[in-house]
Order: sequence, then C-alpha cells, then structure tokens
Amino acid sequence: GESVGLHLPTLSVQEGDNSIINCAYSNSASDYFIWYKQESGKGPQFIIDIRSNMDKRQGQRVTVLLNKTVKHLSLQIAATQPGDSAVYFCAENIPYGQNFVFGPGTRLSVLP
Amino acid sequence: NAGVTQTPKFQVLKTGQSMTLQCAQDMNHNSMYWYRQDPGMGLRLIYYSASEGTTDKGEVPNGYNVSRLNKREFSLRLESAAPSQTSVYFCASSVDDNYGYTFGSGTRLTVV
Repeated sequence: GESVGLHLPTLSVQEGDNSIINCAYSNSASDYFIWYKQESGKGPQFIIDIRSNMDKRQGQRVTVLLNKTVKHLSLQIAATQPGDSAVYFCAENIPYGQNFVFGPGTRLSVLP
Repeated sequence: NAGVTQTPKFQVLKTGQSMTLQCAQDMNHNSMYWYRQDPGMGLRLIYYSASEGTTDKGEVPNGYNVSRLNKREFSLRLESAAPSQTSVYFCASSVDDNYGYTFGSGTRLTVV
C-alpha cells in the first residue's frame, strides 16, 4: 500500500516475474487515472491511463485495473525486466479540478 | 520534437537570492504546471496555467510566482530563496486539464 514518509514503499521482484503495484486513490468522484514511471534523474513518463467507465485496460506488457468500489488502482507488469526498475506513481483527476493529484509512489526493484 | 524543456538542470542558490526557472513546450499544449518533488512526498503542485493568460495556485504556492509568457512558456520565480525550497522542480504540460501530462527532465535546486 501507499504511505507518506521519508521512505518509499518498495517492491522487489525477480526478473521475468510479474509485478503488481497498488495505489489507493482519495476521491470517489475521480474519473480519470494515470500511471507514470520515473527513472532515476528523469521526469515522470506516462505509461497507461484508464477512465472511470472502464475497469481494465491493457497496453504492451502493462495492465491497469480499476476498482471504484474500494477506490483502488493497480498496475500489472508482465515479465518484469531490469529496465522496469523505477518509481511508479498513480495520479487521479478529480472532475472540475484543473490538475492531477499524485500518490507518493512505489519503488520497483528488479532482481537479476 | 523536444517536448518539455527546462532550464537550468542544476542550480545552487544562497538564501535570499532570486532566480527564475524556465520551461517551454513545443506540443501546442494549452495547460502547463509546476511541481516540486521531495523525498517521500511525491509530486506537489505549486502553480498551474490552464490556458494562456491564466494562472492559479496549487497546493504549495508560498514563496513562488509564475508567469505564462505565451502559450509555449511558463516560468517559475523564487523571489527570495529559502533552504526549504531545496527540491527538484518539474514542469509539465498537457493538451488540457483532462489529459495526461508530459514532464520535463527537472531542475535540481539547492538553497544553502
């Protein structure tokens, strides 16, 4: 799960395994969600998005699942590779707001 | 296609000095944003500009000012830098406020 503090939650997985990164979002009215990947020393990069009228969306090796009942979002990465090592952020867009709210992030570490 | 360009990449300031962080995008995006990123705090919105000619405060605007110079450029100014403003600053842009962001590579600012 997500927590606020000095240390990011960390998920360690073996290369080739599947990864699941979770995010609890804050507002039940949020209608658009994005997962970003941030590699060391770089800005966040868009991975995949999902709107609230869907509960699943697939990309290349990534799947996002949305459970509006419990305000939960997850990112699944298939066959995790060393290049997937990064910090992953979920972001929610609240209707009539003018920006996204970002979660604190989860660090994914891929073990050889 | 450069995307979002931020300058400078690194800066060290003394307490009380002023500086302006520059941001430009070449994607014809309407909305632009300034975030700061601190360890364990995720991304926090400082100011945003929903469209050319408008600016609004975000979550942590104190000590900062912004200027939306034209559609391409959105600058962030620190009038009197404080050690609490030591952070990594990211500029981002989007088509409008209901689409994902493209981030710049960041400015690492240290105030001593």
